[in-house]
Amino acid sequence: AQRVTQPEKLLSVFKGAPVELKCNYSYSGSPELFWYVQYSRQRLQLLLRHISRESIKGFTADLNKGETSFHLKKPFAQEEDSAMYYCALSGPYGQNFVFGPGTRLSVLP
Amino acid sequence: SQTIHQWPATLVQPVGSPLSLECTVEGTSNPNLYWYRQAAGRGLQLLFYSVGIGQISSEVPQNLSASRPQDRQFILSSKKLLLSDSGFYLCAWSHGGDEQYFGPGTRLTVT
Repeated sequence: AQRVTQPEKLLSVFKGAPVELKCNYSYSGSPELFWYVQYSRQRLQLLLRHISRESIKGFTADLNKGETSFHLKKPFAQEEDSAMYYCALSGPYGQNFVFGPGTRLSVLP
Repeated sequence: SQTIHQWPATLVQPVGSPLSLECTVEGTSNPNLYWYRQAAGRGLQLLFYSVGIGQISSEVPQNLSASRPQDRQFILSSKKLLLSDSGFYLCAWSHGGDEQYFGPGTRLTVT
């Protein structure tokens, strides 16, 4: 069965430090992988997806099929990055959409 | 541009009362529609999704049901609410396996 795990419920880093939010998945087939973010008092929104291979707000995520991971990274964290981050996967037609439990990132001044 | 609406924003209902939460999408056609429940520390739980009018897939057996009477309308219902139904309910839409766009959510408190 499809599943997404995010081992850290809370991650605290200092401003300017590197940050890595971990995500592992299980899926039979080739899923689409996403990172969603929810800032305080804002809607849940897409941060990035693996097929676009782009960097958004300094964040990148590399899909490692061997380790079935899709970790989110940023070399220098900013205070405005503080938010709830969800890793998610779906099948190619939007079926089997699964979110991880989320990691709350807190960037300290 | 596409927009997604949910109402009400907040709702307080007694145990045993019925529930109807509505979600509508504008500016697109034939979207996939989703209902989620967001619980603190437990992330997002997919409740229902729909790929077309009258087509509903249930992910978690529970006290809730969903209907899609029109292409861009998705309704979450219950005949008799339980305390455990309290939570934050999110509606979302997408086209296929593409990005999901989320509504503002409804905070439901069952007393």
